[in-house]
Amino acid sequence: EDKVVQSPLSLVVHEGDTVTLNCSYEVTNFRSLLWYKQEKKAPTFLFMLTSSGIEKKSGRLSSILDKKELFSILNITATQTGDSAIYLCAVGGSDSWGKLQFGAGTQVVVTP
Amino acid sequence: EADIYQTPRYLVIGTGKKITLECSQTMGHDKMYWYQQDPGMELHLIHYSYGVNSTEKGDLSSESTVSRIRTEHFPLTLESARPSHTSQYLCASRRTGTVNTGELFFGEGSRLTVL
Repeated sequence: EDKVVQSPLSLVVHEGDTVTLNCSYEVTNFRSLLWYKQEKKAPTFLFMLTSSGIEKKSGRLSSILDKKELFSILNITATQTGDSAIYLCAVGGSDSWGKLQFGAGTQVVVTP
Repeated sequence: EADIYQTPRYLVIGTGKKITLECSQTMGHDKMYWYQQDPGMELHLIHYSYGVNSTEKGDLSSESTVSRIRTEHFPLTLESARPSHTSQYLCASRRTGTVNTGELFFGEGSRLTVL
């Protein structure tokens, strides 16, 4: 059975700190790993990773995938209060329906 | 920005009522999905559709049903709501041609409370 485990479940940091979120997975015929940010509304797409060792960056956010050890990390540097959200990790396998298996998310709270 | 819309955003109803959660997208996506999300828990896939007249149940058993008569519309129906159906329901769609690697676009969700 496919599984996605995120850690930590939640954390509180001060503005300016760096956070590292973890996502480990077990999925049949891995195809892609995606990170989403969920505030009060819909999850919004951050990154999609398909290849090991290639870092993806968007501003203060970056992510990398290790397909050998079956995990990914999401880094947020110089955190701001607007980074407060739940960060979701999802994995897609070879299923032709394009379904994603989601983790429970990491809740990040950034305090002023 | 994704063009996928869900209504109602919030709904509070009594046990036994029939409800329909609407989901529409204007991006021409073939693939659409319904996820259920409880606080602190992962999103669970309850229904998906590959295209018109194609619907399948997801990994999480659900008493809800769906239909896909038009590409842009994917409503979810509960014939007789119960308190155990209280949850947030998220609709999503995916670009045609991106079977396994493309991102999902999400609606803003419908938060259902059954008293």
